[in-house]
Amino acid sequence: QKEVEQNSGPLSVPEGAIASLNCTYSDRGSQSFFWYRQYSGKSPELIMFIYSNGDKEDGRFTAQLNKASQYVSLLIRDSQPSDSATYLCAVKSTGRRALTFGSGTRLQVQP
Amino acid sequence: GAGVSQSPSNKVTEKGKDVELRCDPISGHTALYWYRQSLGQGLEFLIYFQGNSAPDKSGLPSDRFSAERTGGSVSTLTIQRTQQEDSAVYLCASSLDVSPLHFGNGTRLTVT
Repeated sequence: QKEVEQNSGPLSVPEGAIASLNCTYSDRGSQSFFWYRQYSGKSPELIMFIYSNGDKEDGRFTAQLNKASQYVSLLIRDSQPSDSATYLCAVKSTGRRALTFGSGTRLQVQP
Repeated sequence: GAGVSQSPSNKVTEKGKDVELRCDPISGHTALYWYRQSLGQGLEFLIYFQGNSAPDKSGLPSDRFSAERTGGSVSTLTIQRTQQEDSAVYLCASSLDVSPLHFGNGTRLTVT
């Protein structure tokens, strides 16, 4: 079992819709969770981080964390073609100093 | 001031040659990371430096890989006797303590 799992996609949504990106992790003691966006040929950039159970909103983005289910998600409201990218989930696992990344979900927003 | 700086941006080398990749982190960031990303794949952790502590080398794939960080700032990742499977984008990131990470633009390494 991979430590951080994501569906590779592509996830295709129409412009204006809500995109839902999901991530599961194996280390129950994980404390910190991050979403990075990576455009093709570019380096990852941080979108959001979440530490506590529940929802955290920032503009069109909402991160959701459920530690009991070992599940973290990213919702993108009013999706735009410029949101088309690969979204990487990263987890700070117990005893690990570095973040562990999932393999990413490719999102395509259709105009 | 500036973000994480990596050089070179692209490197083509022949199989068996040694390469050095450089990372200049954000000023004041105590933590520095090297990750590797193969085409279409996620990020593979290589090595982590934090202040004056011993580095976490647990992600280095073989003894051909080594890294150092001088003066708590600039880091160099060295790959000896390069192989074709070493071809990837090598990403450096820095942070205050452990998170969040700020990535450089990466070095695209091609081994022919």
